[in-house]
Amino acid sequence: GDSVTQMEGPVTLSEEACLTINCTYTATGYPSLFWYVQYPGEGLQLLLKATKADDKGSNKGFEATYRKETTSFHLEKGSVQVSDSAVYFCALSDPYNQGGKLIFGQGTELSVKP
Amino acid sequence: NAGVTQTPKFQVLKTGQSMTLQCAQDMNHEYMSWYRQDPGMGLRLIHYSVGAGITDQGEVPNGYNVSRSTTEDFPLRLLSAAPSQTSVYFCASRGALQNEQYFGPGTRLTVT
Repeated sequence: GDSVTQMEGPVTLSEEACLTINCTYTATGYPSLFWYVQYPGEGLQLLLKATKADDKGSNKGFEATYRKETTSFHLEKGSVQVSDSAVYFCALSDPYNQGGKLIFGQGTELSVKP
Repeated sequence: NAGVTQTPKFQVLKTGQSMTLQCAQDMNHEYMSWYRQDPGMGLRLIHYSVGAGITDQGEVPNGYNVSRSTTEDFPLRLLSAAPSQTSVYFCASRGALQNEQYFGPGTRLTVT
């Protein structure tokens, strides 16, 4: 079945460092790909998405490109801030499968120190 | 718009008790889902609905029931709580023509 694998955390960075969180997927169809962010004590918020190969999603300085050839959707940011400390989830969705259910990676906790 | 709302925020149950987690959305979304979040496992789908009167099982449906009598509401019922159901529960919704799902703030459930 479809699955998502993302790099394990926790990841600890200093403010203004570069961030990459790796995400790879397996899927039989043509899924949409997402990054969700969960701040402490809160629910999940959509950070960015891409719906087809070579699409780049971007938001709040974060970017990810849908790479079909490497089945990847790595999250990147050039300069992280303390306020970026959160858990990041990579996910995929096939809109024709089970109501477009989201299949999540296990999450990567990011901690940014001043 | 309030978006997706969930009640309660926190709940403690004893083994064998039953309860209902409430979920409502005011975006007129057709699709609604329940997920549970456990450490190191991401979120897993419990049940979902593609419209009023239609529900189906996800990955981990055992021990849970759902119903969808209106577009707005999608309650999740625990029939006889077990310690294995200790988790954080999230409700989500999306429109039929959308890709992304919108999540509620979650309910943290502890079963002792």
